[in-house]
Amino acid sequence: DSGVTQTPKHLITATGQRVTLRCSPRSGDLSVYWYQQSLDQGLQFLIQYYNGEERAKGNILERFSAQQFPDLHSELNLSSLELGDSALYFCASNPGGVAEYNEQFFGPGTRLTVL
Amino acid sequence: AQSVSQHNHHVILSEAASLELGCNYSYGGTVNLFWYVQYPGQHLQLLLKYFSGDPLVKGIKGFEAEFIKSKFSFNLRKPSVQWSDTAEYFCAVNAFQTGANNLFFGTGTRLTVIP
Repeated sequence: DSGVTQTPKHLITATGQRVTLRCSPRSGDLSVYWYQQSLDQGLQFLIQYYNGEERAKGNILERFSAQQFPDLHSELNLSSLELGDSALYFCASNPGGVAEYNEQFFGPGTRLTVL
Repeated sequence: AQSVSQHNHHVILSEAASLELGCNYSYGGTVNLFWYVQYPGQHLQLLLKYFSGDPLVKGIKGFEAEFIKSKFSFNLRKPSVQWSDTAEYFCAVNAFQTGANNLFFGTGTRLTVIP
């Protein structure tokens, strides 16, 4: 158990819908990272938040957005869902700051299926 | 842009065979290097990491990796695999001074160990 929690574990929804994925980082970690894992694209970095502020952006679609709240949990919002958004979404955390380039600790993921 | 290449997509070995999984990266500056493992149905777990110092690093479960800077490589090795090593293995690079801290992952190598 990495200490990173994600809910829900599974999500099944229809095209055009909107969903919210939730992540709680390890105790004390200020940085949260979101990744998408799909069969054709592999593991892709989406976005990073550090202490409530957006820190880095990767291959995140405009239909996707994220935020980090004062209690440091983060939410990834996916809207106007398409079949191709079906994937495993991982959240990871680390202390950030001077330890930003250290290893990241991954949550169990949320499996999103868009029908 | 950084990229990580894992040359072997699927490796099948018998128990007690030796393992070497290749990983090459494209960034020319300072890097932190990682190998993560994903057991079936589980989240990514850190196997080992290289930040600096001795280029031969030892990780958990008998795995080791060697950083060869001149070859931009960080190959993973294990002298004798076990059935429980069946998993997907990901090489990842975190490149300094890029303005964005995130892990660049290879496409992964699926290891199947036959009892």
